Amino acid sequence: GAGVSQSPSNKVTEKGKDVELRCDPISGHTALYWYRQSLGQGLEFLIYFQGNSAPDKSGLPSDRFSAERTGGSVSTLTIQRTQQEDSAVYLCASIEQGGINTEAFFGQGTRLTVV
Amino acid sequence: GQNIDQPTEMTATEGAIVQINCTYQTSGFNGLFWYQQHAGEAPTFLSYNVLDGLEEKGRFSSFLSRSKGYSYLLLKELQMKDSASYLCAALSGGYQKVTFGTGTKLQVIP
Repeated sequence: GAGVSQSPSNKVTEKGKDVELRCDPISGHTALYWYRQSLGQGLEFLIYFQGNSAPDKSGLPSDRFSAERTGGSVSTLTIQRTQQEDSAVYLCASIEQGGINTEAFFGQGTRLTVV
Repeated sequence: GQNIDQPTEMTATEGAIVQINCTYQTSGFNGLFWYQQHAGEAPTFLSYNVLDGLEEKGRFSSFLSRSKGYSYLLLKELQMKDSASYLCAALSGGYQKVTFGTGTKLQVIP
């Protein structure tokens, strides 16, 4: 595809349910990042992947959060037993690391609302 | 650890020039991103600096000094549509992690 694609764009879920968020990066981009952004706040780092490996999972808020990436492409972020404080926009970015030509693009995000 | 600092808010006048500063402290620094984010939208890539100096892209320019851990984004001929948050982010470390600052909210006034 032409850009980073995230699905769903919006998700409303009941407290306690599990949700799965999907990110399709730009083809060929080796690095993929997940961030969370609450209203009016900055970007909170969650996890990132180099290929299928996650060198840094330190940003995951709790063990209810997990992520995986398969085939060096699609990534899914899973939140188990959702809580109201999980409500936020979840953003995915992919990076083509090419020295001075490095570029990083975001998807449009998934707006998660836990009710 | 890694630390990215930028001012929280700035106000500038339409048609003027504004400079948004960013300082960083990271280990294994590789380069510095700038993004624009309008309210309710995803961040949009503006620039990536890896070499010292100024890079110009139309009305927007970005500067980097690796020795000082300092960057700035320069916006010329400000337009009302430039009102947005501007995020700087450092790419660093052996595993190439991207760390964002909290963003500078720029308000352009008539």
